[in-house]
Amino acid sequence: GQQLNQSPQSMFIQEGEDVSMNCTSSSIFNTWLWYKQDPGEGPVLLIALYKAGELTSNGRLTAQFGITRKDSFLNISASIPSDVGIYFCAGRKGSGGYQKVTFGTGTKLQVIP
Amino acid sequence: DVKVTQSSRYLVKRTGEKVFLECVQDMDHENMFWYRQDPGLGLRLIYFSYDVKMKEKGDIPEGYSVSREKKERFSLILESASTNQTSMYLCASSPLGGKAFFGQGTRLTVV
Repeated sequence: GQQLNQSPQSMFIQEGEDVSMNCTSSSIFNTWLWYKQDPGEGPVLLIALYKAGELTSNGRLTAQFGITRKDSFLNISASIPSDVGIYFCAGRKGSGGYQKVTFGTGTKLQVIP
Repeated sequence: DVKVTQSSRYLVKRTGEKVFLECVQDMDHENMFWYRQDPGLGLRLIYFSYDVKMKEKGDIPEGYSVSREKKERFSLILESASTNQTSMYLCASSPLGGKAFFGQGTRLTVV
């Protein structure tokens, strides 16, 4: 089955640093989603993007829907220890009652205090 | 708040056993999904359902079946558990065309 290419696979950063991760695909999506999974929990939705070129913020998080509709980026500014977790991108396409969602392979973020 | 509840957080089963993973959502969502999560592979869709008694195969349905007799409940069944089905299983639900909400996950170990 199709998967999105997400990078980096993992990263260690110092507290206070900014973080960037991205997701690319050979397919076009009409929605991009970013989720965070805390250790031992299910993923929780952070940001949803609906239009090519859209830039959306949620606190210290900013995500962009790539202009080609084949990629998306997530930035976290001034990281803090509770940012630790696995971040997943997801692309959605289709119409009607069900819109197929494809997930990226995840970026594992570890923050060094 | 949307609540998606998976019946077990941790489960240990023997090879060959029939295993049921249950998921219940309380927001009257039409769509429900079962994923498995493995290191380096992200989330892979096993099966989904868009209505009661309706089901569709996802990307990796082999070795699994599902049941949706009521709108709020979606069950994943491992007919004969094998060690390569040791994984984290995540259930999600969403309204039509809406965002998915996940349960907390079931970590299944098959020995």
